Amino acid sequence: KQEVTQIPAALSVPEGENLVLNCSFTDSAIYNLQWFRQDPGKGLTSLLLIQSSQREQTSGRLNASLDKSSGRSTLYIAASQPGDSATYLCVTRGGNAGNNRKLIWGLGTSLAVNP
Amino acid sequence: DAGVIQSPRHEVTEMGQEVTLRCKPISGHDYLFWYRQTMMRGLELLIYFNNNVPIDDSGMPEDRFSAKMPNASFSTLKIQPSEPRDSAVYFCASSGLDSSGYTFGSGTRLTVV
Repeated sequence: KQEVTQIPAALSVPEGENLVLNCSFTDSAIYNLQWFRQDPGKGLTSLLLIQSSQREQTSGRLNASLDKSSGRSTLYIAASQPGDSATYLCVTRGGNAGNNRKLIWGLGTSLAVNP
Repeated sequence: DAGVIQSPRHEVTEMGQEVTLRCKPISGHDYLFWYRQTMMRGLELLIYFNNNVPIDDSGMPEDRFSAKMPNASFSTLKIQPSEPRDSAVYFCASSGLDSSGYTFGSGTRLTVV
């Protein structure tokens, strides 16, 4: 059974710092992995989607990597800004025929970027 | 496209009342998902549809919950009767091509008093 763990649960950094959020998963047979952002009281915004055959994806100041063999993904945020403050969620999609529409979610990392 | 549209954004109701949440998926997406989010349990999948047909409803907590998708552009999640423990944020999401990710609506914050 897939389990997704995100570390740390909470992070507070000064503005301008580069930072890494970690996501680990127990079953490497994933179809893809997606990072979302959730602002307080708001919905989920997709940030990056990495297919199982890919190693990384980049969008602006964000870079997500995927290492299936070790069951890890990282989300790198360069030059953090106060507007980056949010909860970041990692989610895997199953890679087998019976579970490939099921998403398994981490509990998120709550990020605060202080001006 | 306007994205996944959910209504209402907020709902406050008294225990025992019927609650209906609504969702309009992205046009062309053939998968629709209903999730519930609470502080204690995070995001939980309640049910999902493919081409308007319910595929997996194993996450529906009990018979008080029901979901329908009468056509490709509309789905409802109904709770009858509602209970205070149903208070949560309910999200709808849709997905299209197999290689695509998921797009979420803004959610409905339900409070049952």
